[in-house]
Amino acid sequence: ETGVTQTPRHLVMGMTNKKSLKCEQHLGHNAMYWYKQSAKKPLELMFVYNFKEQTENNSVPSRFSPECPNSSHLFLHLHTLQPEDSALYLCASSQNTGLVRETQYFGPGTRLLVL
Amino acid sequence: GESVGLHLPTLSVQEGDNSIINCAYSNSASDYFIWYKQESGKGPQFIIDIRSNMDKRQGQRVTVLLNKTVKHLSLQIAATQPGDSAVYFCAENTGNQFYFGTGTSLTVIP
Repeated sequence: ETGVTQTPRHLVMGMTNKKSLKCEQHLGHNAMYWYKQSAKKPLELMFVYNFKEQTENNSVPSRFSPECPNSSHLFLHLHTLQPEDSALYLCASSQNTGLVRETQYFGPGTRLLVL
Repeated sequence: GESVGLHLPTLSVQEGDNSIINCAYSNSASDYFIWYKQESGKGPQFIIDIRSNMDKRQGQRVTVLLNKTVKHLSLQIAATQPGDSAVYFCAENTGNQFYFGTGTSLTVIP
């Protein structure tokens, strides 16, 4: 266990549905991240939160909406997704201020299938 | 953009043998590197890291080698075990963002 949990582990949704992914870290970290992992592609950074403030948004479509109520919890709200959004969504956390040279610890991911 | 690649998409080794997984990176300004292991159905798991002021770092059964001259990173696993079967990928950090490779799938043959 890495200290980062994600729920649900699997999700199937239609294109008109609204769902949310949840991430919780028990490591006392201050930075949290959402990544998308598609088959045979590198991890794609989506969002970064540092001390609950969003510091990065890597040109992610607005149908993905993150929320970080505190340093331990991170949500990804999904609405009107497309089939090409089907992927493994990974949450990660790191100790301090954002991306710079800090080891990131990943959760198990949510396997999302959009029909 | 960054290019973090692996020389081989798959690697099969006999149990007990040593494994070597390679990674090439393109940004000479990258100064921090991580190797991750990802088992089926799980998220990436940190294995070992190295900073650019070093050229070798050892962990438990794993060694990472960094050759900045040719922008090459390798992960060596000693006495490979069935539990080592997974996808391994490297990540580089330029001080702005991590860039990840696509991964090498390691299969350990009993």
